[in-house]
Amino acid sequence: EAGVTQSPTHLIKTRGQQATLRCSPISGHTSVYWYQQALGLGLQFLLWYDEGEERNRGNFPPRFSGRQFPNYSSELNVNALELEDSALYLCASSFGQAGNTIYFGEGSWLTVV
Amino acid sequence: AQKVTQAQTEISVVEKEDVTLDCVYETRDTTYYLFWYKQPPSGELVFLIRRNSFDEQNEISGRYSWNFQKSTSSFNFTITASQVVDSAVYFCAPDTGRRALTFGSGTRLQVQP
Repeated sequence: EAGVTQSPTHLIKTRGQQATLRCSPISGHTSVYWYQQALGLGLQFLLWYDEGEERNRGNFPPRFSGRQFPNYSSELNVNALELEDSALYLCASSFGQAGNTIYFGEGSWLTVV
Repeated sequence: AQKVTQAQTEISVVEKEDVTLDCVYETRDTTYYLFWYKQPPSGELVFLIRRNSFDEQNEISGRYSWNFQKSTSSFNFTITASQVVDSAVYFCAPDTGRRALTFGSGTRLQVQP
């Protein structure tokens, strides 16, 4: 069974541009999560989507946004890119109920130059 | 707000040694879930174990075991007979149900042959 898949693997953008990252959850999972792992800042929670709705949001500015599609896949958009947005963006998925194991994908490396 | 402390920044052991990774967390919630993940150099977060706060039974799964003490808010993870492939960064992460896993700073484990 396929795990959480993310694309692209690597992305290079210029400051001020927009980046879009995509994620496909494990089959049957309705919840999708996004985390940022920036150098020196550790792993930080970004967003949680379940059944198409944003359920929780971390301490990030509004230029970080996303959505979840009817097939439960998700995309993360980062507008007005800043150099400090350079990071590994990890997507994860789980079944909807609290306490279920959250499985992570391999991540998308975003470099802002 | 939750806080996770992984006091061991880096541990180096020789293959076949047992190693225990410490984790202390802070939460005001009475019901929560605890996870351990490992992150090899490839970047993907690999799920290891999950424990809920209302079950303090400690278990063993293969070479992995864990010691959960709710009274001291500790959730330690032990690898028995370590192997070179166990080399990775290990993260402890509690979840209070809002899916915003709070990751510790991680413990880098180096297993020498």
